[in-house]
Amino acid sequence: SAVISQKPSRDICQRGTSLTIQCQVDSQVTMMFWYRQQPGQSLTLIATANQGSEATYESGFVIDKFPISRPNLTFSTLTVSNMSPEDSSIYLCSARVYNEQFFGPGTRLTVL
Amino acid sequence: DQQVKQNSPSLSVQEGRISILNCDYTNSMFDYFLWYKKYPAEGPTFLISISSIKDKNEDGRFTVFLNKSAKHLSLHIVPSQPGDSAVYFCAASAGSAGNMLTFGGGTRLMVKP
Repeated sequence: SAVISQKPSRDICQRGTSLTIQCQVDSQVTMMFWYRQQPGQSLTLIATANQGSEATYESGFVIDKFPISRPNLTFSTLTVSNMSPEDSSIYLCSARVYNEQFFGPGTRLTVL
Repeated sequence: DQQVKQNSPSLSVQEGRISILNCDYTNSMFDYFLWYKKYPAEGPTFLISISSIKDKNEDGRFTVFLNKSAKHLSLHIVPSQPGDSAVYFCAASAGSAGNMLTFGGGTRLMVKP
């Protein structure tokens, strides 16, 4: 299994600013992901965080808006850039261990 | 286009009775299905999974049934307990158990004492 922690757990931000969310896994994992859960919606995959190379983004998500770092096999960051109220969501980090996918507790972001 | 759908946003069940949560999918390439449970302020936690080569998988009080021809799966919880009250997400992947997950919209289960 994997235990995933995220920082911050929540934040309230002003429009136009950026927030970086950190994700730490307690063991080395090959695959890490970032998801978004908008209010009342399901989990939507933003991107796969690749170690040593650029993240792979899903349709509708771009690197300029959601830059991702993955410096090693246990850590990743997601930045939400130039925020607008539409970015208010829960952002979840996830890691795959063998065939199981584990999730962090999420970061609840509110943009005013 | 939602490839995984959970048509019931909420379900209320009496303690001790059976809870049945349903999930439909449209992508015939999906061959691995999972159920996750999510409590408020926590991330989803894996509950149970099933491969398309099976039609049933059981783990304690939790059983998942897969009907490939109908592209439908269901999660049965019996007996239901108040601690089961949470949002349940159905997820599916294609190609192998390790590929990208597509999630349904979730069903909020409330188990009344």
